[in-house]
Amino acid sequence: GQQLNQSPQSMFIQEGEDVSMNCTSSSIFNTWLWYKQDPGEGPVLLIALYKAGELTSNGRLTAQFGITRKDSFLNISASIPSDVGIYFCAGENNDMRFGAGTRLTVKP
Amino acid sequence: ETGVTQSPTHLIKTRGQQVTLRCSSQSGHNTVSWYQQALGQGPQFIFQYYREEENGRGNFPPRFSGLQFPNYSSELNVNALELDDSALYLCASSKGQITGELFFGEGSRLTVL
Repeated sequence: GQQLNQSPQSMFIQEGEDVSMNCTSSSIFNTWLWYKQDPGEGPVLLIALYKAGELTSNGRLTAQFGITRKDSFLNISASIPSDVGIYFCAGENNDMRFGAGTRLTVKP
Repeated sequence: ETGVTQSPTHLIKTRGQQVTLRCSSQSGHNTVSWYQQALGQGPQFIFQYYREEENGRGNFPPRFSGLQFPNYSSELNVNALELDDSALYLCASSKGQITGELFFGEGSRLTVL
């Protein structure tokens, strides 16, 4: 199947630090997306990437669509306490598949 | 606020029972996808409905079935519930047959005893 391997599983960082997480797959995807999920809520879209090599920013978030179309990364700069949550990568062809998530904890 | 609403928010069933979960999509969206999210896991794709037809299915048995109505709202039905069906069920709406950006509801948390 179209498995997405997301790493790291969890991160504990100090407020103000930068964060990097990534997602790899053995399958090619046409679209890569990054979502954030807070407790008791559904995932919310952060960034969508539509072209291999594309680098896109949304405020302090930057994501890239890998050249091979089999991977993507998400960076968060200058983390703040409200960045706490679970971050999911998702790859899409005819439907959307999700990674297992990276749980981010930010210590003030 | 994504404009996607799901009901009920929580429910408890026993093994062997049947459950129906409901979803209203965001205005202007004609595609609804359903996901199962077990505790500590990412969402797993169940199926997608586009213009009232099933348009793709993940690795779930036939006792998971769905419907989409002319107003694009949707139902997920699960028959013969098993303990492992306990999970958060997420509905997401999007525009068009290629899902692109999904907008999720807050989910229905199902507990099977």
